[in-house]
Amino acid sequence: EPEVTQTPSHQVTQMGQEVILRCVPISNHLYFYWYRQILGQKVEFLVSFYNNEISEKSEIFDDQFSVERPDGSNFTLKIRSTKLEDSAMYFCANLRSGRAIQGAKETQYFGPGTRLLVL
Amino acid sequence: EDQVTQSPEALRLQEGESSSLNCSYTVSGLRGLFWYRQDPGKGPEFLFTLYSAGEEKEKERLKATLTKKESFLHITAPKPEDSATYLCAVLYGGATNKLIFGTGTLLAVQP
Repeated sequence: EPEVTQTPSHQVTQMGQEVILRCVPISNHLYFYWYRQILGQKVEFLVSFYNNEISEKSEIFDDQFSVERPDGSNFTLKIRSTKLEDSAMYFCANLRSGRAIQGAKETQYFGPGTRLLVL
Repeated sequence: EDQVTQSPEALRLQEGESSSLNCSYTVSGLRGLFWYRQDPGKGPEFLFTLYSAGEEKEKERLKATLTKKESFLHITAPKPEDSATYLCAVLYGGATNKLIFGTGTLLAVQP
């Protein structure tokens, strides 16, 4: 079964530095998501992306965050100026169909994550 | 307030000792309830999607069921390799595709 891949697996950065997290989605999937999970806490939605634009974002996703598909395949999450509280696991997820129809296959498949540590 | 609540937070079983994990939800307009397995330091691994009350799905030793207020993940004769955190998530409403997760149940199966 095709898998979502993410790079790097681990990233250590200094507070205030920019980081870019990368995701290679499953090829025929249309919706892309970023979630994060702070150690010991729930998985939280950050942003969804469809047709080269943000379709939805959470209150966590402030001006320090941005997403793009720079080459039509990779999907990136950029944090411009990292804070200590950005330390978390960041997961990319893909959805094949974004149609909100009961019974449609709406399963999101997650990547292995990037562990970000901000010092 | 929590929209998705999982219980228990942690569960320790002996190998072969069957049990159930619970996921209760308070959202309206449920479009899907999802079960994932998460190993330490890894991403959520998809297990099941349930769409309507009364639906059941099975995979090996796992069986997921759904009612109008909750879902159960039944584990029959578990093995040590079933040890993981089991996450429940819901998709609801019309326009959104974001998943709302519970805090998970940490399952430990001892040989």
